[in-house]
This record gives sequence, structure tokens and C-alpha cells, in this order.
Amino acid sequence: ETGVTQTPRHLVMGMTNKKSLKCEQHLGHNAMYWYKQSAKKPLELMFVYSLEERVENNSVPSRFSPECPNSSHLFLHLHTLQPEDSALYLCASSQEAAGPTSYEQYFGPGTRLTVT
Amino acid sequence: EDKVVQSPLSLVVHEGDTVTLNCSYEVTNFRSLLWYKQEKKAPTFLFMLTSSGIEKKSGRLSSILDKKELFSILNITATQTGDSAIYLCAVVSGNTPLVFGKGTRLSVIA
Repeated sequence: ETGVTQTPRHLVMGMTNKKSLKCEQHLGHNAMYWYKQSAKKPLELMFVYSLEERVENNSVPSRFSPECPNSSHLFLHLHTLQPEDSALYLCASSQEAAGPTSYEQYFGPGTRLTVT
Repeated sequence: EDKVVQSPLSLVVHEGDTVTLNCSYEVTNFRSLLWYKQEKKAPTFLFMLTSSGIEKKSGRLSSILDKKELFSILNITATQTGDSAIYLCAVVSGNTPLVFGKGTRLSVIA
């Protein structure tokens, strides 16, 4: 596997379910991100992990819970979601460094989530 | 609040046409501006711009940044149907990760 992978690619869940999204990066990067992409809205940054520590969570509802066990893996745990949470969830990674940096992020293919 | 505005929101052109996509921004402590192309799923990186007036080129695509007027343009010459996609502009400011615009949906028809 190369680049950034995400599983599952599609997920349908009820409002009372608990599920997890998984992201894995094979690029040796040290920062990972979760984005939410809804129709007709800009990409919304949800969480950032740099060196496995969360650095920003952008006031995301607590029904979304991230986990970053190591620099290559990122999870998004979901519970008691709402229909408006249906969206494409994208994971990205980048190599962060002190001083000027590229901030070039590489994206995974995304998980299309539907909450019924 | 940091803001990135792209225009037009959508555009339909014929193969062979040249298009210009616009991105303006209002951010504190600007660091860099990035362009992405998003087809079916994941955005793919096109350009990163940090300095004014220096054009970046990749094949038929080129981009330039104006830090005085706070905007960037993405040009695509001799468009092909494979250029149909959403083009995203994103800005890095201070220590904030990417702030994205809504994107421009480009459709190239044969």
C-alpha cells in the first residue's frame, strides 16, 4: 500500500451505532488530519495530530472522538451520530518541521458516511 | 476569522479553451497558498505558492500569487475533459493548518 489509505470506503450507520473510521499513512509523515466534506461547503478541519499529540480540535462535537496510537495510524470513533453528520470524511498527512514548511498534505480516498 | 473565497463556483468550457480560476484570501500571518484538484474523492496537490509574482508551472497548469492584493490565480490552457474536477484553494496562516475555499467546479465538454 502506498500513500494514505482509509477504511471503510463507505459506511451506513444508524444513529445509535458505534463505528470507527481508520486511516493509515505510508509516507513517513509526522502529522495527520481529519476533515469533513459536506455538499456545497468548504473542507472543514476536524482534528490535527502532530507527533501523535492532538494540537487542534476546532470545536468538533464530542460524538466524534479521534485516536492516534502512532504516527502512521489515525482513527475517528463515531457514536450517536446525527443525520447531518453524513458526509465524506477525509484523512490527510503531512511532514511538519520547524521553520518554513511545505504544509503539503496528502489525502486519503475518504470514507463516505451515511447516518440513517 | 481566516477566509478563503474562490470564484467562480462553477464553470463549463469546451475542450481547448483556456480557463482562469481565482482565489482571494483574508488571513493573519500568511504563510503559503496551495492549489488542489479533487476528482472523485481525494484532493491531489497541484502547487504551493509562498512568494509573490513567481509563476509555478506544471504542463498546461500554472499559478501565481499576489500577496499585495491577496489573491492567486490558477490557469489551465488547452483544457481537456480530464481536467474536469473541483479545484480547491487553501491557505496556511500562522500555525493554522489549511483553510480551504469552497472550490471551483470545472466541467470541460468535448
